[in-house]
Amino acid sequence: EPEVTQTPSHQVTQMGQEVILRCVPISNHLYFYWYRQILGQKVEFLVSFYNNEISEKSEIFDDQFSVERPDGSNFTLKIRSTKLEDSAMYFCASSVPLPSGANVLTFGAGSRLTVL
Amino acid sequence: AQSVAQPEDQVNVAEGNPLTVKCTYSVSGNPYLFWYVQYPNRGLQFLLKYITGDNLVKGSYGFEAEFNKSQTSFHLKKPSALVSDSALYFCAVSATFSGGYNKLIFGAGTRLAVHP
Repeated sequence: EPEVTQTPSHQVTQMGQEVILRCVPISNHLYFYWYRQILGQKVEFLVSFYNNEISEKSEIFDDQFSVERPDGSNFTLKIRSTKLEDSAMYFCASSVPLPSGANVLTFGAGSRLTVL
Repeated sequence: AQSVAQPEDQVNVAEGNPLTVKCTYSVSGNPYLFWYVQYPNRGLQFLLKYITGDNLVKGSYGFEAEFNKSQTSFHLKKPSALVSDSALYFCAVSATFSGGYNKLIFGAGTRLAVHP
């Protein structure tokens, strides 16, 4: 069964450092997403991406965050200058576009980011 | 604003007994509702969805969910629980649909513990 692959599984960084989280979505999917889950809290939407541009972003997704699809397979989330409160599990997801909104998101296993 | 509530942090059930994990939602318009499960060190896995039609939706691993419009609920059920069902369960509602992508709003999650 096709999977969404995320690397690294765990990253520890110092506050103020840049971090890039990488994702390989399912090959025939066209929509890509990042969600995050702070320990003990809800899974929160960050951003959706389609046709090489952001479709929607949440208020969490401020100027410190950026996404990119640098080639035909990878989808990355960059945090420019990490803060302590960025410590969380970051999930990548992808989906095919369906006209009814019933498309199912397939999630990766997550990248745990720890900011010290 | 769209929201999802999972009133129970944890549900305990004996193996072989029926289980119910509760979910209520608030959404304008017709809801698209989903259940996902998260096993340790794994991503969110899709279980089932309600889009339209029959109020009883059947999904993976013997799970089903009942959509109740009057009570705005979408409870997850299984007739006979297995120890391997022990995991974290998330209810989600689609908050935005525009052009094919799906922004999910998740509940806080319910930890299901099935005891032998």
